[in-house]
Amino acid sequence: QVQLQESGPGLVKPSQTLSLTCTVSGASITGDGYYWSWIRQRPGMGLEWIGYIYYSGTTYYNTSLKSRVIISVDTSKTQFSLRLTSVTAADTAIYYCARSEAWFDPWGQGILVTVSS
Amino acid sequence: QSALTQPRSVSGSPGQSVTISCTGTSSDVGGYNYVSWYQQHPGKAPKLMIFDVTKRPSGVPDRFSGSKSGNTASLTISGLQAEDEADYFCCAYGATYDYGVPFGGGTRLTVL
Repeated sequence: QVQLQESGPGLVKPSQTLSLTCTVSGASITGDGYYWSWIRQRPGMGLEWIGYIYYSGTTYYNTSLKSRVIISVDTSKTQFSLRLTSVTAADTAIYYCARSEAWFDPWGQGILVTVSS
Repeated sequence: QSALTQPRSVSGSPGQSVTISCTGTSSDVGGYNYVSWYQQHPGKAPKLMIFDVTKRPSGVPDRFSGSKSGNTASLTISGLQAEDEADYFCCAYGATYDYGVPFGGGTRLTVL
């Protein structure tokens, strides 16, 4: 059974960098043609796709976040990571990682990241 | 990229059927058969309910069905049950490399 788990700081100061890691278990991060995604949900709002990465390192990003986002993969650790720079209060959200093809499944449980001084 | 358009809320009584619409453009919903639907209960992660417009993952009841006509996709839930009360989001993979992956704004389903 494939499982994903987000980890990282729950509080980030404005203008700093948000860094999260997603650990994948029960599946190979290099197999079967899947992409590995980050998605966020701001308080009381809908879902926003941030971007995804293929195990080879190929990435695709949401154009509205592209200048601040880096997604990377560590195949030896079956992990992939998100870095979001120059954060503001508007980046406060629950961040989810998910396995993706033309859909997202499964999802991690999510991690709340608050941007505040 | 633009979000897909969903009604903010729908409701129905137990045993009834409800349909949630998801309207996009020819660049996403209308252009590809990659519409998916997600159910989210409060405080929980989204769960895949429908993928590739009409397909159900293993374990999803056949009360849930998907369809598409033109630029509008639909999720129909028949034989409503109390546990179906949740938020539902649609998503449409398209030309990701220059368009991204839009989600709908979400629809709150209330079982009366």
